[in-house]
Amino acid sequence: QKEVEQNSGPLSVPEGAIASLNCTYSDRGSQSFFWYRQYSGKSPELIMSIYSNGDKEDGRFTAQLNKASQYVSLLIRDSQPSDSATYLCAVRKLEAGGTSYGKLTFGQGTILTVHP
Amino acid sequence: DGGITQSPKYLFRKEGQNVTLSCEQNLNHDAMYWYRQDPGQGLRLIYYSQIVNDFQKGDIAEGYSVSREKKESFPLTVTSAQKNPTAFYLCASSRWDGPFDEKLFFGSGTQLSVL
Repeated sequence: QKEVEQNSGPLSVPEGAIASLNCTYSDRGSQSFFWYRQYSGKSPELIMSIYSNGDKEDGRFTAQLNKASQYVSLLIRDSQPSDSATYLCAVRKLEAGGTSYGKLTFGQGTILTVHP
Repeated sequence: DGGITQSPKYLFRKEGQNVTLSCEQNLNHDAMYWYRQDPGQGLRLIYYSQIVNDFQKGDIAEGYSVSREKKESFPLTVTSAQKNPTAFYLCASSRWDGPFDEKLFFGSGTQLSVL
């Protein structure tokens, strides 16, 4: 089982619709969860971070976390063609010994296409 | 302008050659990371450094080496022992916004190809 797994894409939605991106993780010790957006040929940029169960909203983006189900999702409302990109889910856990710095483990990414 | 600068943008390696990818940051971040991305895949951690003069292997360190002599700089050398080096290499540094909230910020990447 992969440590971080995202729903297989590509995902295609019409402009104005809600895009739903999903991610599951295997390690129950995971503490922080991140969504990155990556345009083709560019570097990832952080969209959202979440570490408490429930929803976190930022503009058109909502991150949802359910630690019991080991599931994190990203909803994009009123999708725009400019949202077309690869979305990467990343999970962080504290290292053994409780050191402060952790490492991010990334999923394989989901390609989203928003068509006019 | 604060940020992370990677150079070169494109790099070509000949058989048996070592090449070095540069990464510089002026964000005053302590931790820096190197990731590798293959087409259609997520990012995989090569090396990371939490502090000057200290670094740790990530998940795919074989065939790579790093140094951290200055806080601002974290160069990556791809050695001839790395048999499949063609990939997009991303350098990152991190900032803490809370006890669990370490956020990574990425440079623009270096595309390495084998001649």
